[in-house]
Amino acid sequence: EVQLVETGGGLIQPGGSLRLSCAASGFIVSYKDMNWIRQAPGKGLEWVSLLQSSGRSDYADSVRGRFTISRDHSNNSLYLQMNTLRADDTAVYYCAMSSGGCMGSSGCLAYWGQGILVTVSS
Amino acid sequence: DIQVTQSPSSLSASVGDRVTITCRASQTIGIYLNWYQQKAGKAPRLLIYIASHLQTGVPSRFSGSGFGTDFTLTISSLQPEDFATYYCQQIYSSPWTFGQGTKVEI
Repeated sequence: EVQLVETGGGLIQPGGSLRLSCAASGFIVSYKDMNWIRQAPGKGLEWVSLLQSSGRSDYADSVRGRFTISRDHSNNSLYLQMNTLRADDTAVYYCAMSSGGCMGSSGCLAYWGQGILVTVSS
Repeated sequence: DIQVTQSPSSLSASVGDRVTITCRASQTIGIYLNWYQQKAGKAPRLLIYIASHLQTGVPSRFSGSGFGTDFTLTISSLQPEDFATYYCQQIYSSPWTFGQGTKVEI
């Protein structure tokens, strides 16, 4: 059974850094395309970052240069290093696995974690 | 970036109703559109991928259609567990973008 569990959230001051982790079970993170998606309180969904099995990564413009996505094969985990955090980064952050059969896209997000809240405030 | 606009933003319906939600993309995206369901306090759930493909485990009362810029999600007979917020997502080009959501209420 596929499971994704995010940890590492919390309250952080503007300008600070935080690293989110997503522990996976039931599959190997390195062999799948993985994503981070966020949702500000009471708002809609925003795609944040992608790490393909090939190692290629991509970012939303709003986080490019500040956030870094990575993975650890030995821990079977996905990470999101978030630097220079701003108030508008406040959100629930989800990790999600892309499914196959998506016509060549990595965007079919079939499995999601429960989400972790990041609050950026002084 | 490709913008996706959902309508309506909310709707009231009753159990057994047929419900249709639409999504319009700002440029043609072929069939590269997905639909998700999100219940309060929960992660989204993939319902329909690539415009019309039903995700495994999703009831057959959900269906999707469309091509190009205009897409629809249809719930043929609304059930109590279907009251939720629904999002479309274009995956034609990066950054993938979501619609603003449609809240289906009683």
